[in-house]
Amino acid sequence: DTAVSQTPKYLVTQMGNDKSIKCEQNLGHDTMYWYKQDSKKFLKIMFSYNNKELIINETVPNRFSPKSPDKAHLNLHINSLELGDSAVYFCASSQGDGFPKFGPGTRLTVT
Amino acid sequence: GESVGLHLPTLSVQEGDNSIINCAYSNSASDYFIWYKQESGKGPQFIIDIRSNMDKRQGQRVTVLLNKTVKHLSLQIAATQPGDSAVYFCAGNSGGSNYKLTFGKGTLLTVNP
Repeated sequence: DTAVSQTPKYLVTQMGNDKSIKCEQNLGHDTMYWYKQDSKKFLKIMFSYNNKELIINETVPNRFSPKSPDKAHLNLHINSLELGDSAVYFCASSQGDGFPKFGPGTRLTVT
Repeated sequence: GESVGLHLPTLSVQEGDNSIINCAYSNSASDYFIWYKQESGKGPQFIIDIRSNMDKRQGQRVTVLLNKTVKHLSLQIAATQPGDSAVYFCAGNSGGSNYKLTFGKGTLLTVNP
């Protein structure tokens, strides 16, 4: 199946820990994104990479660091997790001026 | 800056009725709008898009209308089915960039059998 996949689907961790979320797309897209969806369902872009280069970096704490080892992967590493980081994180990808296709999401719960 | 918002947070309709979901935007710099559907526990799924040089675009059971004069777009779903129950988002590209979408708040559509 051609898709955007994320692991893990659920992540429960304590404050202060460091965690990573992985994303892979097999669609051959050249652009990948991370979006955050809060408890009110509001979706906001965090980062965008085009051909492994960072092109969008919204006002996100520097505890969040994306890494793109290749065009098909965009991982999100979060240091020193805080309660406010609890949300659903979506990876997405697009090609050219096409619409972003979203992954299934990772629900992060910080306790 | 660009902002995209929705008039109604929830909409409840009877199966078989038509649904209309509205969205307002504040910045004319967006030249591309998308409607996404998000079912519970899943990621947003593309429904239909429209360019700013169009007023209307039709898909299968869905129609998007764009009124640039009042900066408003709507999603019409014909013969709404239980499977249409979801949160619907409108999104516009920011500043003409295709790499940054600004999403509205979302409307929860509930279809009653």
